[in-house]
Amino acid sequence: SQELEQSPQSLIVQEGKNLTINCTSSKTLYGLYWYKQKYGEGLIFLMMLQKGGEEKSHEKITAKLDEKKQQSSLHITASQPSHAGIYLCGADGKAGTALIFGKGTTLSVSS
Amino acid sequence: NAGVTQTPKFRVLKTGQSMTLLCAQDMNHEYMYWYRQDPGMGLRLIHYSVGEGTTAKGEVPDGYNVSRLKKQNFLLGLESAAPSQTSVYFCASGRGQAHLSGYTFGSGTRLTVV
Repeated sequence: SQELEQSPQSLIVQEGKNLTINCTSSKTLYGLYWYKQKYGEGLIFLMMLQKGGEEKSHEKITAKLDEKKQQSSLHITASQPSHAGIYLCGADGKAGTALIFGKGTTLSVSS
Repeated sequence: NAGVTQTPKFRVLKTGQSMTLLCAQDMNHEYMYWYRQDPGMGLRLIHYSVGEGTTAKGEVPDGYNVSRLKKQNFLLGLESAAPSQTSVYFCASGRGQAHLSGYTFGSGTRLTVV
């Protein structure tokens, strides 16, 4: 079965610094989703990537999918306290079933 | 606002008690899902449904039952709660198969079994 590994598990950055979160799949990705979760709340959809080499940006967050479609990165530029939360990557499980998720990366931004 | 609504938001159960978690969506989505989230384990799929009247098992279905009698509702039942079912439960819905669309998530139900 497919597994998603996220790294790092957690990180603390100073406000204004850049950071990168990685998501690596054991199998080729057909769709890679990034979600953000604030403590005690549900998941908010950020971006979806499908094509090898694809890159998408929303405000100060950029997500990329590598050419081999087995790894994705989420990059935050000039981090702010509002970026704090848990970031999860998700990908297709077995065809016709549901998304599987990585264990998440907890981001703290210190001001 | 349109979206996915979960009730209740919080619940404490005694071991052996039963309860039903309700998920309602008003987006006319075909697909609905129940996940549980535990520290260090991420989100794990319990059951899912690809349409009204259909259900299927996910990764961790034991101890849970589900029903999808109406397209907009997906119920998760615990017949005899156990402390191992203490978790945060999330419902999600989507337009089509997983690789064609993202999901919309509810805000979660925090369940404690004592």
